[in-house]
Amino acid sequence: TQTVSQSDAHVTVFEGDSVELRCNYSYGGSIYLSWYIQHHGRGLQFLLKYYSGNPVVQGVNGFKAEFSKSDSSFHLRKASVHWSDSAVYFCAVRSTSSGQKLVFGQGTILKVYL
Amino acid sequence: NSKVIQTPRYLVKGQGQKAKMRCIPEKGHPVVFWYQQNKNNEFKFLINFQNQEVLQQIDMTEKRFSAECPSNSPCSLEIQSSEAGDSALYLCASSGQNQDTQYFGPGTRLLVL
Repeated sequence: TQTVSQSDAHVTVFEGDSVELRCNYSYGGSIYLSWYIQHHGRGLQFLLKYYSGNPVVQGVNGFKAEFSKSDSSFHLRKASVHWSDSAVYFCAVRSTSSGQKLVFGQGTILKVYL
Repeated sequence: NSKVIQTPRYLVKGQGQKAKMRCIPEKGHPVVFWYQQNKNNEFKFLINFQNQEVLQQIDMTEKRFSAECPSNSPCSLEIQSSEAGDSALYLCASSGQNQDTQYFGPGTRLLVL
């Protein structure tokens, strides 16, 4: 069974805190991993992706993610969050066995308080 | 920032009515995807095209849903006979031919009364 799991439905932090949003996957074959952000009432904005090479990838607005094959994870991190980072974050996987479509995790709602 | 354009932003239909939404992919992106996002943030892939050809689609799309990406015209997704369960955010995304990144539009929010 191919799955993408975001274990935290809600994460609450204060502005300036660091944050980690977790993503675990269960897929076979070659995979592409990505993170998207969705602000309320809007479409998905691409943050970053990983396919091969350096397991730590840098994204927009200070976000980065680290791929771990041994843990089957692709966690998203930011060292110092801003209130405008409050949104829903989705981890997505595309595998060679699923064609070009993305399979999304359940999403993590990040709330940043001032 | 994505340059995928979707219209209309909001669509309200009665049960049994047709619902049609459009998408203009980013310039130079030959691959277009349609996804449905429900109120529980669950995504369902519907169909994708490369140029005018269907690459993949799910069974649901084959029945009440129809989609096309004609040359030199916006792509479209149409629900022939809307049902309450079709109420959702419909997202269009586009990507380059050999690229992995899909860029999304703002979505069309459909409400079926």
